[in-house]
Amino acid sequence: TQLLEQSPQFLSIQEGENLTVYCNSSSVFSSLQWYRQEPGEGPVLLVTVVTGGEVKKLKRLTFQFGDARKDSSLHITAAQPGDTGLYLCAGALSGNTGKLIFGQGTTLQVKP
Amino acid sequence: GAGVSQSPSNKVTEKGKDVELRCDPISGHTALYWYRQSLGQGLEFLIYFQGNSAPDKSGLPSDRFSAERTGGSVSTLTIQRTQQEDSAVYLCASSSDSGVRAQHFGDGTRLSIL
Repeated sequence: TQLLEQSPQFLSIQEGENLTVYCNSSSVFSSLQWYRQEPGEGPVLLVTVVTGGEVKKLKRLTFQFGDARKDSSLHITAAQPGDTGLYLCAGALSGNTGKLIFGQGTTLQVKP
Repeated sequence: GAGVSQSPSNKVTEKGKDVELRCDPISGHTALYWYRQSLGQGLEFLIYFQGNSAPDKSGLPSDRFSAERTGGSVSTLTIQRTQQEDSAVYLCASSSDSGVRAQHFGDGTRLSIL
């Protein structure tokens, strides 16, 4: 069974703090995507990482794909209340299919 | 609109009834996915359509669940003889069939079984 373990499941921090969310698997992914979801809405794609060791930055968010393409991390610097939401990682298995395996999600609450 | 559209946005029904959920994907997207999400949790894969290929039904939890995609566009997810454990948000996504295939999601149908 392909499984993507995401941690922590819940995080409550003060505005201005830094945080890191992790996704780990024993499976190798051809790519890995990070999504953010707000209540009552569908997930919205933040970034896709494809190459082992790849680092992508999106303003205060830094995404990294592990060298072996089995894990990924999302780091947020100086979190803002607007960053509050559910963060989901999703891995695409090799084999030319668009099917994704999703992690369980990390609920982030940033308090002003 | 340009995004994925799902209807209804909310559905409340009695246990034992059948329900149909609809998804209109982004025009031109050949891949369509259905997921189920419990409150604050990750997404559980249900079924995946890619062009004219046979759908990947490996995630359907029981034979009460089925889905169709007509004309390569609109899809309906049908749940027969609903049970209380079917209560969840059902999300649909579509993607192109090239590149990294980023999935574009609708806002989901919140299904409540009484």
